[in-house]
Amino acid sequence: DAKTTQPTSMDCAEGRAANLPCNHSTISGNEYVYWYRQIHSQGPQYIIHGLKNNETNEMASLIITEDRKSSTLILPHATLRDTAVYYCIVKANQGGKLIFGQGTELSVKP
Amino acid sequence: DVKVTQSSRYLVKRTGEKVFLECVQDMDHENMFWYRQDPGLGLRLIYFSYDVKMKEKGDIPEGYSVSREKKERFSLILESASTNQTSMYLCASSSEGWNTEAFFGQGTRLTVV
Repeated sequence: DAKTTQPTSMDCAEGRAANLPCNHSTISGNEYVYWYRQIHSQGPQYIIHGLKNNETNEMASLIITEDRKSSTLILPHATLRDTAVYYCIVKANQGGKLIFGQGTELSVKP
Repeated sequence: DVKVTQSSRYLVKRTGEKVFLECVQDMDHENMFWYRQDPGLGLRLIYFSYDVKMKEKGDIPEGYSVSREKKERFSLILESASTNQTSMYLCASSSEGWNTEAFFGQGTRLTVV
């Protein structure tokens, strides 16, 4: 299974864009990149996923580099409620198994 | 609204007890998972089931077993609870395939005394 590397923590000002990077240099050709977040005391919540094209939904945008070795999750206008741990995951090569790394703790400040 | 429901939000058990954590999903998902989450260690996969009566070990299966007799229900069993199994336990489910998201329950905070 491909491993991911994320910064331990990041800060972002409320109303600004939050850009969360992730390295996944050993990703294989048919593995997807998934992003989840976990707000304190809750279960993780799905945000977005992609294979090689950039993706956007109502929550966020996902930018994947052309070589697929890294990606960036963008929260376009961060709010205080976006304070959470964000996990970048490469989908395991056996069925639906998800292996979580340590994630990035994002603090959105007023 | 899709839902993964864990039977208890908080649980206190004694050392040596047999403990059952139950998880039910209403989405007809093939895959179900059990994780534990500890400070500084993140979410670690205990067991995974991809079909009824099928299971695979995750990264930390020691001291745990699982049961999946029906598609919607996945049980985590602590055969003889120990204090080092005090943790937050999270259940999740997803449909089969590469292009699918997982849905998580709210978690069970288990304390073994």
